[in-house]
Amino acid sequence: AQKVTQAQTEISVVEKEDVTLDCVYETRDTTYYLFWYKQPPSGELVFLIRRNSFDEQNEISGRYSWNFQKSTSSFNFTITASQVVDSAVYFCALIGPNDYKLSFGAGTTVTVRA
Amino acid sequence: DADVTQTPRNRITKTGKRIMLECSQTKGHDRMYWYRQDPGLGLRLIYYSFDVKDINKGEISDGYSVSRQAQAKFSLSLESAIPNQTALYFCATSEKDLRSNTGELFFGEGSRLTVL
Repeated sequence: AQKVTQAQTEISVVEKEDVTLDCVYETRDTTYYLFWYKQPPSGELVFLIRRNSFDEQNEISGRYSWNFQKSTSSFNFTITASQVVDSAVYFCALIGPNDYKLSFGAGTTVTVRA
Repeated sequence: DADVTQTPRNRITKTGKRIMLECSQTKGHDRMYWYRQDPGLGLRLIYYSFDVKDINKGEISDGYSVSRQAQAKFSLSLESAIPNQTALYFCATSEKDLRSNTGELFFGEGSRLTVL
């Protein structure tokens, strides 16, 4: 069974600080996809990134970056120079080749204070 | 207007009542899903449907039923609501298989249900 662990329940930072959200996963599959979603206070989940298991390149999108390391089964997410608008709950998720559903982590609540 | 619309957005009901949450989408996607979000548990899949004639149970389907009235509409029903069904419910759609290189979920804004 797939398992996604987001050990950090809540993180609070001051604006302009960097913040890293940890995501550790467990799977027996060699092929799988990892996702990050953002849930702002408005409630709707917004897709941020998908990464397949064969692509270990790190990715940067503006202030967001992702570090995928198969050796440690981690797919961590960093927000650089955080802003108040980054305050949200962030979910990591995984799906394997025989899965019918995404397995979500419990989520990490990020609060950015002005 | 949102591409995935849920109604009602908030509902308070009593134990034993029947409640329906409705979802409609304008994205033209065949695949639709109902998730439940609880603090500390993330999102869990209740039911999913890959087309109008296809209904599948998710990981926590007990106490729930669904109806896929059309490609654009997917309703979730609680036949006899109980307090531990108090949660935030999300409808989602996808155009493609989530296991594909471009598969992703598009979520509605959520329906907050409180069962007293």
